[in-house]
Amino acid sequence: EVQLLGSGGGLVQPGESLKLSCATSGFTFRNYAMSWVRQAPGKGLEWVSAISGSGSFTYYADSVKGRLTISRDNSKDTLYLQMNSLRAEDTAVYYCAKDWRDCDSPQCPYYFDSWGQGTLVTVSS
Amino acid sequence: DIQMTQSPSILSASVGDRVTITCRASQNIWTSVAWYQQKPGKAPKLLIFKASTLESGVPSRFSASGSGTEFSLTISSLQPDDFATYYCQQYYSHSTFGQGTKVEIK
Repeated sequence: EVQLLGSGGGLVQPGESLKLSCATSGFTFRNYAMSWVRQAPGKGLEWVSAISGSGSFTYYADSVKGRLTISRDNSKDTLYLQMNSLRAEDTAVYYCAKDWRDCDSPQCPYYFDSWGQGTLVTVSS
Repeated sequence: DIQMTQSPSILSASVGDRVTITCRASQNIWTSVAWYQQKPGKAPKLLIFKASTLESGVPSRFSASGSGTEFSLTISSLQPDDFATYYCQQYYSHSTFGQGTKVEIK
């Protein structure tokens, strides 16, 4: 059974940093692209970032480019999101999501067949 | 960026009703569309991919169609478990979601 377990969320002040993790099991992690998708309170879904199976290729939404960095450790089957210079508008539940396949540059992601439970990031003074 | 315009935002319906949600892309995205169901406090669940392919385990009352810029998701006979919010997603150029459609009890 595929399992994705996000963690690392919390309350931070504007300008601070936070690192999210997503521990996975139940599939061959290195063979699949992974993404982060966020959802602001009461709002819709927003794709944030994706990474290829090898970690060689990364992709970002314009709204987060330069502030958020996606990475993965295939030896630990874990996905990460380093979040710097956080703003109030980054407040959201962050979901990690498994792609149905690995990515072919330049297109990534595809669609998401498994999701983590979400971790809440609150940016407020 | 490709925009996905989803309608309606809210859909009030009764158990047994046939309901349809539409999504319009701002440019041709062929069949690079997925549909998800989300319940309050839960992660989204994949229903449909490649515009019309039903994900394994999803009830056959769900169907979808479309290509190019116009897409739709239909529930043939609404069940109590189907009251939720539905999102379309394009994956032709990176990814964008529609704004969501909340299906509520009439």
